[in-house]
Amino acid sequence: EVQLLESGGGLVQFGGSLRLSCAASGFSFSTYAMNWVRQAPGKGLEWVSVVSAGGGSTVYADSVKGRFTISRDNSKNTLYLQMNSLRADDTAIYYCARKSGSYEYYFDYWGQGTLVTVSS
Amino acid sequence: QSALTQPASVSGSPGQSITISCTGTSSDIGTYNFVSWYQQHPGKAPKLMIYDVTNRPSGVSNRFSGSKSGNTASLTISGLQPEDEADYYCSAYTRSSTPPYVFGTGTEVTVL
Repeated sequence: EVQLLESGGGLVQFGGSLRLSCAASGFSFSTYAMNWVRQAPGKGLEWVSVVSAGGGSTVYADSVKGRFTISRDNSKNTLYLQMNSLRADDTAIYYCARKSGSYEYYFDYWGQGTLVTVSS
Repeated sequence: QSALTQPASVSGSPGQSITISCTGTSSDIGTYNFVSWYQQHPGKAPKLMIYDVTNRPSGVSNRFSGSKSGNTASLTISGLQPEDEADYYCSAYTRSSTPPYVFGTGTEVTVL
């Protein structure tokens, strides 16, 4: 059974940093691109970032470019999101989501999410 | 890249059919058949319901179906049931490299 389990969320001050983790199990982690998607309280979904299966290629939303870094450790089946210079509008539930396949463009499995709250 | 446009809310009685629209542009829905739909119950993670415009993942009820015409995709729920009450989001692959994916604004489905 595919499972994605996020952790690392919490309360952080404006301008602070936080690192999120997503532990994967039940599939061959190293063969899938992985994404972070976030959802501000009461709002819709926003794609944040993607990392390729091997970790060598990354893309970011303009809203987080230069502040967030996505990475992965395939030996530990874990996805990360390093978040720096956090702002109030980064407050959201952060989900990790698996991209279905190399030539597929949808997210077939999602974690339960971890809440990040940025306070001023 | 702006979010795809969905109606804020749609409602229907049990047994009825409803359709949720998702309007994009020629840079996303109009060019690629990479439209997906997600169901989200309160406090839960999104769940994939439709991919590549019309395909249902294993385990998803055949009451859910998808279609596309031009720059607009649609999700139809037939035989509406109480458990279908949730938020629904469309998503599309875009021609832009950043972001490569865009989500819809979300639609709250209410079963009357």
